[in-house]
Amino acid sequence: EAGVAQSPRYKIIEKRQSVAFWCNPISGHATLYWYQQILGQGPKLLIQFQNNGVVDDSQLPKDRFSAERLKGVDSTLKIQPAKLEDSAVYLCASSSRTGPGFFGPGTRLTVL
Amino acid sequence: QKEVEQDPGPLSVPEGAIVSLNCTYSNSAFQYFMWYRQYSRKGPELLMYTYSSGNKEDGRFTAQVDKSSKYISLFIRDSQPSDSATYLCAMDSSNTGKLIFGQGTTLQVKP
Repeated sequence: EAGVAQSPRYKIIEKRQSVAFWCNPISGHATLYWYQQILGQGPKLLIQFQNNGVVDDSQLPKDRFSAERLKGVDSTLKIQPAKLEDSAVYLCASSSRTGPGFFGPGTRLTVL
Repeated sequence: QKEVEQDPGPLSVPEGAIVSLNCTYSNSAFQYFMWYRQYSRKGPELLMYTYSSGNKEDGRFTAQVDKSSKYISLFIRDSQPSDSATYLCAMDSSNTGKLIFGQGTTLQVKP
């Protein structure tokens, strides 16, 4: 069974630029999560999708972050404009039902 | 106060030692408890998943949950250098998958 795929693996941008991350969940997994992991901290949930609908985005900074999951499969997370404090690893996870998900390798973002 | 507290370490032990990793939490609504292992530059990998209080064993790993004390533990027996990683505890109140993570403890097992 293929795991959660994410791209790019690394991204370096200047502050105020925009960036997008892509996630392809495990086949058949209806639930998809985006987490932010700042260096030295545990992951923090940003948004949860069930199929193509948002279940919880209470921790998503909506003034600069947006996410979508078209057709209930792949998902993209966008930051516009980026700030220095957005430097982190962005992790995507998926699960077939509620419960703990399987994580992808993450995208490491550096904002200069 | 954070909902989940975890000593970041680092924790260094010799190969073969028994390792004890711990988390405390403040939210009594948490019912589901997980331990993840995260190697450098990798995503977290689920090790143990338990519901409510009690013990669960899987090979060299044992997870313990004491809800009365709001305290969970992960024990690793016969630790190996390959166990060197960051261990994250995570909690969920209603199995929604919306996990609250601890800070993570960095473990180094020396040959």
